[in-house]
Amino acid sequence: LAKTTQPISMDSYEGQEVNITCSHNNIATNDYITWYQQFPSQGPRFIIQGYKTKVTNEVASLFIPADRKSSTLSLPRVSLSDTAVYYCLVGDTGGTASKLTFGTGTRLQVTL
Amino acid sequence: GAVVSQHPSRVICKSGTSVKIECRSLDFQATTMFWYRQFPKQSLMLMATSNEGSKATYEQGVEKDKFLINHASLTLSTLTVTSAHPEDSSFYICSASDVGGDEQYFGPGTRLTVT
Repeated sequence: LAKTTQPISMDSYEGQEVNITCSHNNIATNDYITWYQQFPSQGPRFIIQGYKTKVTNEVASLFIPADRKSSTLSLPRVSLSDTAVYYCLVGDTGGTASKLTFGTGTRLQVTL
Repeated sequence: GAVVSQHPSRVICKSGTSVKIECRSLDFQATTMFWYRQFPKQSLMLMATSNEGSKATYEQGVEKDKFLINHASLTLSTLTVTSAHPEDSSFYICSASDVGGDEQYFGPGTRLTVT
């Protein structure tokens, strides 16, 4: 399982765009990149998943460069309720449930 | 979306007793469920993989005789912490994957406090 490295924490003001970058230098060909969000005393919640280039959904965008050795989660116009820990995971999701290895995560603090 | 529930949400037990935590997939069948443990301010740590109808696979360093896992049906896995001690106090989270699916759905977690 590829190891991931993320900033430990980030601060942002409400209404700003937040970009969290994750490094995964040893990503394998079959690996996907998945981001989860976790609020205190709750289970993680799936945000977005991608393999290459750009993926966008209703809550976030995921940018993956051609070499796939990093990825950036982009949260547009964050609000106070986006204060949470964000985890970047890399693993093979080829058709069966795979073990997920959580890294340290990035603690995002959004203030007024 | 797929929903995973856990029961109880929080439990307090005395040292030396056992406590059972249930993980249920409410609207889908899960052949595989995972159990994680999370200490305060730390990341999730995978404890074991629970497969319906077979023995669980434990991660290195996790005592299988202390953390008993049973996955008797496609919608229910249980984790029993036997002879609990204060150091077992933690947040236990399960996740489940739909049959043939890739995405894992996480439960809300169970806060265990051992006094």
